Amino acid sequence: SQKIEQNSEALNIQEGKTATLTCNYTNYSPAYLQWYRQDPGRGPVFLLLIRENEKEKRKERLKVTFDTTLKQSLFHITASQPADSATYLCALDAFTGGGNKLTFGTGTQLKVEL
Amino acid sequence: DAGITQSPRHKVTETGTPVTLRCHQTENHRYMYWYRQDPGHGLRLIHYSYGVKDTDKGEVSDGYSVSRSKTEDFLLTLESATSSQTSVYFCAISALGQGDGYTFGSGTRLTVV
Repeated sequence: SQKIEQNSEALNIQEGKTATLTCNYTNYSPAYLQWYRQDPGRGPVFLLLIRENEKEKRKERLKVTFDTTLKQSLFHITASQPADSATYLCALDAFTGGGNKLTFGTGTQLKVEL
Repeated sequence: DAGITQSPRHKVTETGTPVTLRCHQTENHRYMYWYRQDPGHGLRLIHYSYGVKDTDKGEVSDGYSVSRSKTEDFLLTLESATSSQTSVYFCAISALGQGDGYTFGSGTRLTVV
């Protein structure tokens, strides 16, 4: 069966450190992989998209890697700040019969402490 | 969220009643989606639309119907609400449908009692 796995345990890190979140998937062949941020009581906000033929993508303090052999994406936030505290969702953009749609993981909660 | 609004924001309804949630966009995007979000399940796709009057089912479509008579509006109807449909419902829009980030609304918290 198809699965997207993100660490369900919260990740606690100190301000200034690099946070690394993991997204693993099975039985998908995504053309794209996306990362979203979600704050409590709000809708997800799009952060980054990476294509299957790209290894790495950067945007300001964010970096995403995509390894289609390992079926894994890593999401890094460098110089983390308390304002980065949120839940981060991985989403696969893949053909699932009837067209391409986004399928989401359950998210990892990040807490950045002073 | 800019360009997309959901209504109502909160609703409590009784089991067995029909409920309609509305998603309105001002971005003129072709693709619109309805997701539900529940603890332990994440976001799951209910229905989506790839144009006016063009809709298709997602992974959890049973008990739901949708309509899109105009580009800007996508309606989700719970035909006969059940307690298992208590959830937070999110609408999303996309210009390209593929290889494009989605823009989500603020959500509707629905409670079925």
